[in-house]
Amino acid sequence: GENVEQHPSTLSVQEGDSAVIKCTYSDSASNYFPWYKQELGKRPQLIIDIRSNVGEKKDQRIAVTLNKTAKHFSLHITETQPEDSAVYFCAPISSGSARQLTFGSGTQLTVLP
Amino acid sequence: EAQVTQNPRYLITVTGKKLTVTCSQNMNHEYMSWYRQDPGLGLRQIYYSMNVEVTDKGDVPEGYKVSRKEKRNFPLILESPSPNQTSLYFCASSLSQGDTQYFGPGTRLTVL
Repeated sequence: GENVEQHPSTLSVQEGDSAVIKCTYSDSASNYFPWYKQELGKRPQLIIDIRSNVGEKKDQRIAVTLNKTAKHFSLHITETQPEDSAVYFCAPISSGSARQLTFGSGTQLTVLP
Repeated sequence: EAQVTQNPRYLITVTGKKLTVTCSQNMNHEYMSWYRQDPGLGLRQIYYSMNVEVTDKGDVPEGYKVSRKEKRNFPLILESPSPNQTSLYFCASSLSQGDTQYFGPGTRLTVL
């Protein structure tokens, strides 16, 4: 199956600073690149995604960038706020033939007030 | 309201007593899957289903069974639960394999 590595595993930033989380994958057929946020005690929810025909996508303070050649994509959060504190997961997948869906190991982001 | 539901939300059982965790979605999604979440190990896929009567193993299928007789339902069956299956379980569905996963609220299972 897909080999997915996510870094860093923990990240602490001061409120207002930026945070970047990187996800590296192995399956060159992957063409859908989502980021999920899981707050404590809750279910994971999509915060942003990108497809392989686009290099960057932005939604207010959140952005995702994709480098298909190097097989990695990154989550960027600017002007961080305490409510951004959560665990973030990447989960690259191909929309083609059936295959397992592998999540990254997660990044615990803590925004310090 | 579009949603994924799971039942029960909490379950404490004993080793060897068969149990089923139900999962249902009302979004007409083709793709459904089960995950377990353990501290330090993230989300690991147990089984997935591309459509009715089509299921396949994920990363950690041992000790679990699934079925997909109807599009909306995807139950997870533990025929003989063991303590190492104590975990938080999530069901999820998506329009297709390469689309956003919508997660259920989770089932916290403890096997004594």
